[in-house]
Amino acid sequence: FMLTQPHSVSESPGKTVTISCTGSSGSIASNYVQWYQQRPGSAPTTMIYEDNQRPSGVPDRFSGSIDSSSNSASLTISGLKTEDEAEYYCQSYDSSKHLVFGGGTKLTVL
Amino acid sequence: EVQLVQSGAEVKKPGESLKISCKGSGYRFTNYWIGWVRQMPGKGLEWMGIIYPGDSETRYRPSFQGLVTISADRSNSTAYLQWSSLKASDTAIYYCARRFNAVTMGFDYWGQGTLVTVSS
Repeated sequence: FMLTQPHSVSESPGKTVTISCTGSSGSIASNYVQWYQQRPGSAPTTMIYEDNQRPSGVPDRFSGSIDSSSNSASLTISGLKTEDEAEYYCQSYDSSKHLVFGGGTKLTVL
Repeated sequence: EVQLVQSGAEVKKPGESLKISCKGSGYRFTNYWIGWVRQMPGKGLEWMGIIYPGDSETRYRPSFQGLVTISADRSNSTAYLQWSSLKASDTAIYYCARRFNAVTMGFDYWGQGTLVTVSS
């Protein structure tokens, strides 16, 4: 089981960007998806859990969703700020309950 | 406040052994799974394995089985990741992270990472 993300995305400050995460098999809707942000030189932080829940302290500019028709999860960031520039990873798990990460998407805010 | 504090950076030679640690505080350590995640230089995140400190049940990603050992000491709220014989390819940053709960197979809190450099 693999999760595929675009290598990179870019958008301007104030705009909205969506990062996709496509499951290779099965239904991505069957298992929860999490999203993590990793700024350069820092540890990952959790932005979305259980597909669309935000941990306390995460701005509501960040939202998650599932599209069963495309077997994909998405992370949407609205009102982009330069501080959102980071690598973003989706994560779920396979039938053996082994965690799987997507390859990561580098977000550039320019 | 939940915190996971990892041990400091290590520089080792190939063939040497190593044990790095992850100390949890601010919550009941025995009630939450702790996972380990590898990040090789310039690469993405890889899940290595996970342990439940309450009973020491451990699961490994198949590609790491037999190459590393994950353990936990309930008495000092610390999880460990160890190697018996390091290789240059083990050079990476290693993160520990706490699993959300029994249902959600993802992480809510992360350690700051431990850089392991293996070089002759």
